[in-house]
Amino acid sequence: GAVVSQHPSRVICKSGTSVKIECRSLDFQATTMFWYRQFPKKSLMLMATSNEGSKATYEQGVEKDKFLINHASLTLSTLTVTSAHPEDSSFYICSARVGQGNAEQFFGPGTRLTVL
Amino acid sequence: GEDVEQSLFLSVREGDSSVINCTYTDSSSTYLYWYKQEPGAGLQLLTYIFSNMDMKQDQRLTVLLNKKDKHLSLRIADTQTGDSAIYFCAENTGALNFGKGTSLLVTP
Repeated sequence: GAVVSQHPSRVICKSGTSVKIECRSLDFQATTMFWYRQFPKKSLMLMATSNEGSKATYEQGVEKDKFLINHASLTLSTLTVTSAHPEDSSFYICSARVGQGNAEQFFGPGTRLTVL
Repeated sequence: GEDVEQSLFLSVREGDSSVINCTYTDSSSTYLYWYKQEPGAGLQLLTYIFSNMDMKQDQRLTVLLNKKDKHLSLRIADTQTGDSAIYFCAENTGALNFGKGTSLLVTP
């Protein structure tokens, strides 16, 4: 099946620094990539949808200047958490989709971010 | 938006069947999904059902869909300790809209 990787798997950073998380589709080209955030004991919340070569679409309540998304190629999307604060600590998961609408999404393994 | 609802916790004995229920919100969802998440890990797609189906069986997994009530269930036959995880149902509204997850505990 299609494989999506994320790097790093875990990151600990100091408050005020920026952290970049990469999401790669390893054996397919992803038209669209999604970024989700998962809080403890909570469901996954969609943060943003990104299509290759265009600006990401952010969900209501997600600060686009705080969570910078770049989808420069059909196999790579990056999420940069700028000026991270402890409340940004979370599990971030990306997914990648080929095609539109109801096509299957393939999920990465997730990145655990801890901001001290 | 509206929430996809799931019960939060289920405990079963090894060898019994587990049934996890979900109520979704979007009647136009073409596909409905069940994902499994083990501790500290990402999401694994377990199975999905197309909206024009009532039932889908895949080895130990049986998915039932009641479109009228927007109710989805996942039955795991002969539940094993390795099935202990969080199970999420999700509807496809373009992106995926997830329930909060049902934590399944399988005891020996």
